[in-house]
Amino acid sequence: RKEVEQDPGPFNVPEGATVAFNCTYSNSASQSFFWYRQDCRKEPKLLMSVYSSGNEDGRFTAQLNRASQYISLLIRDSKLSDSATYLCVVNIGGNTPLVFGKGTRLSVIA
Amino acid sequence: SQTIHQWPATLVQPVGSPLSLECTVEGTSNPNLYWYRQAAGRGLQLLFYSVGIGQISSEVPQNLSASRPQDRQFILSSKKLLLSDSGFYLCAWSATAQETQYFGPGTRLLVL
Repeated sequence: RKEVEQDPGPFNVPEGATVAFNCTYSNSASQSFFWYRQDCRKEPKLLMSVYSSGNEDGRFTAQLNRASQYISLLIRDSKLSDSATYLCVVNIGGNTPLVFGKGTRLSVIA
Repeated sequence: SQTIHQWPATLVQPVGSPLSLECTVEGTSNPNLYWYRQAAGRGLQLLFYSVGIGQISSEVPQNLSASRPQDRQFILSSKKLLLSDSGFYLCAWSATAQETQYFGPGTRLLVL
């Protein structure tokens, strides 16, 4: 089983739609979780950290379910500018580097 | 504030030629440093990471090597490039292994 798994997509949604991505992780000892965004031909950038109680940043909401070992990202009222690849990132503990999922591609269509 | 620099932005090299990509970080001390490669349309592949000067961990055995001659300098090298070395090379830093990684702008390498 891969350490971090994501649906590669693409997710094609109209402007204004709500879209959700899930990501599963295999190591139950994982301590910290993040969502990154990567635009085409650019470097990944931190979108938001994921906290145990869930957290929201504007139109974006991140949730963590430790029992089922998955994290989610919800985007409300999608904008054209949300089109990007969203990477799920997990820290599996100790001094091991963060593990990046392969990403989920989102295309928001006018 | 911290910044991370990579150069060059784009590089076209013939097969069999050497490679040297440089990454430097400003505004922090003793960062963890990382080299990733991303093939077109694919995910990030961790190549090397370093927790201190002279300390390099290799994740994928191949014809690439990394060095950290100074605290905030990380260099990726190859003696002879292969076609399969083409890709987007990203350097990143973090304060510790568990914390957020911040990426440089990347170097797009095309081996012909």
